[in-house]
Amino acid sequence: EADIYQTPRYLVIGTGKKITLECSQTMGHDKMYWYQQDPGMELHLIHYSYGVNSTEKGDLSSESTVSRIRTEHFPLTLESARPSHTSQYLCASIDSIYNSPLHFGNGTRLTVT
Amino acid sequence: AQKVTQAQTEISVVEKEDVTLDCVYETRDTTYYLFWYKQPPSGELVFLIRRNSFDEQNEISGRYSWNFQKSTSSFNFTITASQVVDSAVYFCALSETLGSNYKLTFGKGTLLTVNP
Repeated sequence: EADIYQTPRYLVIGTGKKITLECSQTMGHDKMYWYQQDPGMELHLIHYSYGVNSTEKGDLSSESTVSRIRTEHFPLTLESARPSHTSQYLCASIDSIYNSPLHFGNGTRLTVT
Repeated sequence: AQKVTQAQTEISVVEKEDVTLDCVYETRDTTYYLFWYKQPPSGELVFLIRRNSFDEQNEISGRYSWNFQKSTSSFNFTITASQVVDSAVYFCALSETLGSNYKLTFGKGTLLTVNP
């Protein structure tokens, strides 16, 4: 059973606010990922990290930023939230075994009003 | 670039019907992995199966079965005797490995609704 946690589960916030979405895993996985999911279902990779102090932008350009100071923690920050940021954000991690499946957290459903 | 196509955006069936979800992929890699994930209304992504490019054997797990055909670049998923609890979005995905780095490319998903 994968142990990857995302908080908050739901967040409603006003335009212009700064927010941080938390993601933590207790499995010691090096590789972690953030996906943004449209209301229309499609998943887009927005950030990933292959280890501490390593972060890369994903396939979809995002105004969010991430950090990886500790192996188990991969927070995502939006400096100034906008309605266009309304989406579900899914965090995932993977161990070092070749082509293991991604383990996903439960997601954060963000609504910016 | 890798690509995964799930041509069926939505499927609606009546309980106990069999249903097949299609997945077609594109890759230049000779070694790759394919996955299916289930996303129920609660939102989490649940891993269902992984298949590597060298193993074309079909797999059955209870009411679920998967048909991998390399010749047509397809990895289809069949649910036999569907149940209401099978209602979810199903994603097919393809792995890309660049050295020690690793990314998963997802299809756009198929929303399956099983009606009682």
